[in-house]
Order: sequence, then C-alpha cells, then structure tokens
Amino acid sequence: DADVTQTPRNRITKTGKRIMLECSQTKGHDRMYWYRQDPGLGLRLIYYSFDVKDINKGEISDGYSVSRQAQAKFSLSLESAIPNQTALYFCATSDTPGTGSVREQFFGPGTRLTVL
Amino acid sequence: GEDVEQSLFLSVREGDSSVINCTYTDSSSTYLYWYKQEPGAGLQLLTYIFSNMDMKQDQRLTVLLNKKDKHLSLRIADTQTGDSAIYFCAETSRGSQGNLIFGKGTKLSVKP
Repeated sequence: DADVTQTPRNRITKTGKRIMLECSQTKGHDRMYWYRQDPGLGLRLIYYSFDVKDINKGEISDGYSVSRQAQAKFSLSLESAIPNQTALYFCATSDTPGTGSVREQFFGPGTRLTVL
Repeated sequence: GEDVEQSLFLSVREGDSSVINCTYTDSSSTYLYWYKQEPGAGLQLLTYIFSNMDMKQDQRLTVLLNKKDKHLSLRIADTQTGDSAIYFCAETSRGSQGNLIFGKGTKLSVKP
C-alpha cells in the first residue's frame, strides 16, 4: 500500500464551487505539506503543518485553506474555485528533522484539478 | 530572497551523459538535493550532497557542488529512456523552519 495517498486523483469542477482535496499518510510523520505544480513554475508551497495544532501559510496560500484532522490526515480546500487554480496538487510528508539531518519529503501521487 | 534556478528542458540521446545544472542562493543549506518526478507520479528523493563535500557518486549519478559559485549539477552517465523525468534541485530554506525550496524542474527527454 502507498504510504501517502491523495483523493481524488482527478477532479473537474466549475468556477465558484467548493472543493476539498484529501491526503492521508501511514508513515507516522508529524510534518505534512500541500504544494501545487504548474508547468514552468515548478513546485510552490501552499500550506504546511508541523503537527496537528501547528499550521502555517506557504508561498501561495491565498484562496486556499487547510485542516489537519489528525496526525495522518491533512486536507486542502478551495472555498470558491477559480480557473487559475487549475493545477496538479501534491501532498507530502516528512519526519521532524534533527539538527543537520537530511530533509527528505515523501510525496503522494498528486491530484489533477481542473476548474472550468 | 531565496531562489533556486535551473533550466527547464534538456534533451539527450540514449547512451549519452546528461548534465542538469542548478544555482541556489542560500549558502547555509546543510544539504542540497535532487528529486526526480517520473510521469504521472509525485517527487522522490534521488540523491543529496552534504554541503562540505564537492562530489558524490552513486552508480550512474554524480553530483558536483561548487559552494563558491553556489552551483550544483547532476550528471547521469549512460542515460536510458527510463531516466526521462523532471529533475528538481532543492535547498533548505533559511526561514520557514527549514522547509525545502525547489527549483522549477528540468524536464529530461531521452531519445532512442
């Protein structure tokens, strides 16, 4: 079974609709992240959470909100979707690193979201 | 601010060597990373180099680090069609409690 799962894998929706993307992990990691990927723009961080009570905005949080329901679950919501939120969305997890340790993030398979 | 730059595309012939280049801004990163994204999948850590090293070799992969110029490269020897993917360079952010800062990714196309 995959360690980091995302649902749905594909979603087409209309402008103004509320959308929730879900992420679950079985790695036991404290840290979870939401990124979006756009061609030519690479990966941009939307929100990150270092534990259930610690949620932080990333580079491009406007128009998005998140919920960390449990250590293993981190969901991303688009309250009112707009076409420029069409992108590939990735969830990732990581362990809490020690000083000077390698920062490895483990990515889910992605959700392709299209907003018409 | 912090930034990681890399070219967007590279095309090579099967059997040739590929060299993907990256420049970064934060000289305090303890490690620098290469992640690989295969078609239809998420990113996976491919390799990394400790900032005190200038070279790391792992089978067909060679990572070179020039700290003075803040330049990182990934060389893939005997490139195969299975190496076709997007390769992301990453450094550790000085702020944001040490999150990773990713480059835009270099799409490697390997022609038979």
